Amino acid sequence: DAGVIQSPRHEVTEMGQEVTLRCKPISGHNSLFWYRQTMMRGLELLIYFNNNVPIDDSGMPEDRFSAKMPNASFSTLKIQPSEPRDSAVYFCASSGAGVGELFFGEGSRLTVL
Amino acid sequence: AQKVTQAQTEISVVEKEDVTLDCVYETRDTTYYLFWYKQPPSGELVFLIRRNSFDEQNEISGRYSWNFQKSTSSFNFTITASQVVDSAVYFCALSAINDYKLSFGAGTTVTVRA
Repeated sequence: DAGVIQSPRHEVTEMGQEVTLRCKPISGHNSLFWYRQTMMRGLELLIYFNNNVPIDDSGMPEDRFSAKMPNASFSTLKIQPSEPRDSAVYFCASSGAGVGELFFGEGSRLTVL
Repeated sequence: AQKVTQAQTEISVVEKEDVTLDCVYETRDTTYYLFWYKQPPSGELVFLIRRNSFDEQNEISGRYSWNFQKSTSSFNFTITASQVVDSAVYFCALSAINDYKLSFGAGTTVTVRA
């Protein structure tokens, strides 16, 4: 079975540009998470979806960030406009029945110049 | 509030040595889960284990073993006879029972030298 698939793996953009990160969760998993990893702040939960519905977006830094899950096999995280402080690795993870047992993608490394 | 502390930032060992990673947690929940995840150089985090606060039995899986001590709020992880492939960042995490939110520690970078 394929794992969680994220794209792009690397993104370099200039401040002010729109960035869209994509995620395909594992088939059959009903929970999807977006995390951000930085050296300063470690792993932070940005948003959590259950059955395609956003349950908790309290970790989304500000209005520049938005996430959608239009169906069970696809989610996006959008940053508009991007800023240098958004530079980080963004992970998508999905989960089935096992509480806390998350399956992570390889991450999208974002650099905003 | 929940907090996970991994005091060791980096550990370097020679292949075949044992290495123990410390994890201390704080929580007000009476029931909770503890986790360990591995982040190899490829980047993705890999789930290793989940432990229920009800079960204080130690667990062994191959060269990996975990020591859960509720009295000291610790959930330590030992790699026996380390190998180069064990080089990774290891994260300890905590969640309340049936809560989707994981509180991750800062991680410990393990480097195993040949």
